[in-house]
Amino acid sequence: GQSLEQPSEVTAVEGAIVQINCTYQTSGFYGLSWYQQHDGGAPTFLSYNALDGLEETGRFSSFLSRSDSYGYLLLQELQMKDSASYFCAVRDQGGGFKTIFGAGTRLFVKA
Amino acid sequence: DAGVIQSPRHEVTEMGQEVTLRCKPISGHDYLFWYRQTMMRGLELLIYFNNNVPIDDSGMPEDRFSAKMPNASFSTLKIQPSEPRDSAVYFCASTLAGLNTEAFFGQGTRLTVV
Repeated sequence: GQSLEQPSEVTAVEGAIVQINCTYQTSGFYGLSWYQQHDGGAPTFLSYNALDGLEETGRFSSFLSRSDSYGYLLLQELQMKDSASYFCAVRDQGGGFKTIFGAGTRLFVKA
Repeated sequence: DAGVIQSPRHEVTEMGQEVTLRCKPISGHDYLFWYRQTMMRGLELLIYFNNNVPIDDSGMPEDRFSAKMPNASFSTLKIQPSEPRDSAVYFCASTLAGLNTEAFFGQGTRLTVV
């Protein structure tokens, strides 16, 4: 089976940098994704890491260490609009390509 | 493409009634997923389809839940009979085949069973 663990809440101030960690256990691992969800909205894709290392997309970066079954999402120059829930997810090829999500980290950005 | 389209956006029903949620995936996407989101349980995968065929329904909570995908452009999730504990936001998502493809979510159906 699969399980993902991430902190339930993180609080940071505008302009700061925040890191949201995710550890996972899967029967077959094919990559770690990150999604953002604002209150009342749908999850939207942020990034995907299949190989070890850092992927950068603007203010957001995502890191993966396959040997440690660990990844993180790094948000820089935080803005109020970044207040949302962030989910890590793994894609499991067992029988298909299902995507399993972690419980989500609620990020509060304060002025 | 207009993205994944779900209907209705909100549904309020009485316990014991049948509820049908609808989803139109993005054209050309091979996979369709149904998720349920609650504060307590997060985003749970209920069932997913590949090329209209159900692949894994192990997340469907009970026999009261059923899902169909009669063609590539339409899927339904049915709850019969509904119970208050079914109250949640139900999301449909679609993806292309492949390991590094993102899931596109619909706006969800907020179901309240009273």
